[in-house]
Amino acid sequence: DQQVKQNSPSLSVQEGRISILNCDYTNSMFDYFLWYKKYPAEGPTFLISISSIKDKNEDGRFTVFLNKSAKHLSLHIVPSQPGDSAVYFCAASERGGSEKLVFGKGTKLTVNP
Amino acid sequence: DARVTQTPRDKVTEMGQEVTMRCQPILGHNTVFWYRQTMMQGLELLAYFRNRAPLDDSGMPKDRFSAEMPDATLATLKIQPSEPRDSAVYFCASGFGQGSGYTFGSGTRLTVV
Repeated sequence: DQQVKQNSPSLSVQEGRISILNCDYTNSMFDYFLWYKKYPAEGPTFLISISSIKDKNEDGRFTVFLNKSAKHLSLHIVPSQPGDSAVYFCAASERGGSEKLVFGKGTKLTVNP
Repeated sequence: DARVTQTPRDKVTEMGQEVTMRCQPILGHNTVFWYRQTMMQGLELLAYFRNRAPLDDSGMPKDRFSAEMPDATLATLKIQPSEPRDSAVYFCASGFGQGSGYTFGSGTRLTVV
């Protein structure tokens, strides 16, 4: 039973355009959500997070939106750059992020020059 | 830059052999995770510790896997005996356990032949 789902295994966008990565969750106890980026042969690196008390969090080119009623979150990257090409993992946690992280299976983003 | 150090980077072993993977978490971090990444399952939680005490090891095959934290600077994951299906990349991550995002190591790529 997959509690965090990333339904798109891959996404391809043009440099300068917006990238939108989506994530759905089923566990209503999740109250903290994170996005990680992973390059080949490296560990995942933390990108941005959002608490369930917010519906948006922004950090530079990266914005995460949370829709609690739909149990859906999305990561927007604007503008997309070739260096953003990586696998993006959505993760969720209970108790404000103090519990274990449950990951989706990832979406491979390719940004074409 | 503080980092999580994992050794070895790569390990090839024969089926039935014992494998030990080591992780040095970032000094001061009180929460340590072990994750396994496979193509089919994505990032699966194997075990995690807070203040060196095991909190959840339900993701770990108990008959062959064991995870310990002999001290605050070392976490170990042991497989005995190893099997070909254990082939995967094993990641260690550490953090403060308060939703600040966890730092991952570069992983140990295990191949069991």
